[in-house]
Amino acid sequence: GESVGLHLPTLSVQEGDNSIINCAYSNSASDYFIWYKQESGKGPQFIIDIRSNMDKRQGQRVTVLLNKTVKHLSLQIAATQPGDSAVYFCAETYNTDKLIFGTGTRLQVFP
Amino acid sequence: DADVTQTPRNRITKTGKRIMLECSQTKGHDRMYWYRQDPGLGLRLIYYSFDVKDINKGEISDGYSVSRQAQAKFSLSLESAIPNQTALYFCATSDPEQSNEKLFFGSGTQLSVL
Repeated sequence: GESVGLHLPTLSVQEGDNSIINCAYSNSASDYFIWYKQESGKGPQFIIDIRSNMDKRQGQRVTVLLNKTVKHLSLQIAATQPGDSAVYFCAETYNTDKLIFGTGTRLQVFP
Repeated sequence: DADVTQTPRNRITKTGKRIMLECSQTKGHDRMYWYRQDPGLGLRLIYYSFDVKDINKGEISDGYSVSRQAQAKFSLSLESAIPNQTALYFCATSDPEQSNEKLFFGSGTQLSVL
């Protein structure tokens, strides 16, 4: 999940397992959400997005779930691979306004 | 070749110096952004530009200025750098024809102010 402060929350998973990264967003009126992946030394890269009129969207090995009742977003990664190791950010926006980013979660994949 | 290119990749400077970070893009996007990333704080918007004649302040614009020299170029300046501007800076673009919320980021510039 998200955190305040200098230390990123870390999720450690074994290669091949499924990963679930959580995000609590702040604005109940937000209508569009994105997950970004940031590998070491690189800029964030788009993974998947979802609009508020949906509660689930699937991509290749990734699924995003949206629970508007509790303002919660999750990213599920199936069969996690070493290349999935990165920091993952959720971002929210309302009415095509600017993106607001979360603080990130570090995913570590071990053999 | 990268679609969004930032130069330099790393810069060390002293307090009070003027610094310019440059960003160029080959994506043909009208919208460009500068973000700052600090450990544990996520990405915060400094300035953004929706076209060559448009400049807008983000949430943390104090101490920074920008110039949109062309559709493809957007530079960020620190007029008088201070240590708390030490951070990782990202340039990003977006295309409102697709989704103006979907950002494409450069690889970042690590700036250290001593």
